[in-house]
Amino acid sequence: GQQLNQSPQSMFIQEGEDVSMNCTSSSIFNTWLWYKQDPGEGPVLLIALYKAGELTSNGRLTAQFGITRKDSFLNISASIPSDVGIYFCAGQLYNNAGNMLTFGGGTRLMVKP
Amino acid sequence: NAGVTQTPKFRVLKTGQSMTLLCAQDMNHEYMYWYRQDPGMGLRLIHYSVGEGTTAKGEVPDGYNVSRLKKQNFLLGLESAAPSQTSVYFCASSPRGQGNQPQHFGDGTRLSIL
Repeated sequence: GQQLNQSPQSMFIQEGEDVSMNCTSSSIFNTWLWYKQDPGEGPVLLIALYKAGELTSNGRLTAQFGITRKDSFLNISASIPSDVGIYFCAGQLYNNAGNMLTFGGGTRLMVKP
Repeated sequence: NAGVTQTPKFRVLKTGQSMTLLCAQDMNHEYMYWYRQDPGMGLRLIHYSVGEGTTAKGEVPDGYNVSRLKKQNFLLGLESAAPSQTSVYFCASSPRGQGNQPQHFGDGTRLSIL
């Protein structure tokens, strides 16, 4: 099945540093989503992007929907310990068959206080 | 505000046993989904449903069956569990319609097959 290429796979950074991660695909999507997963919990939606070129912020998080509709990035500014977790990108296609998601492999973020 | 609730949270099975995972949502969503998550990989779609009484196969449907007898519930069944089905299973739901309809996830069921 189709997979998104998400990078990096893991990051170990110092508290206060900025973080950047991205996803690329060979196919276009209608929507790009970024989720965060904490241990023992399900993914929680952070940011949703609906238009090519869209740049959206949510607090210290900023994400962009690539112009080609085949890529997206997520930036986290001034990281804090609670940012630790796994971040997933997901491309969404919606049609009569359902709002289908394709996930990237995840970026594991570790923050050193 | 429960959202998506999965039961059980943990289960250990022996090879060949059967079991059913339950997903319930209280948001009146039309679409429901079952995923599995394995180490180092994103979530992969097993089966999904676009409405009561309808189901469809996802990316990795083999070894699983599903039923959507009520709009709020989506059941995932393993008829004869195999060690390869050891995984964390997530249920999700979303409203019908194009655009602005992200999926909402439960907290997962951790399943181990010995």
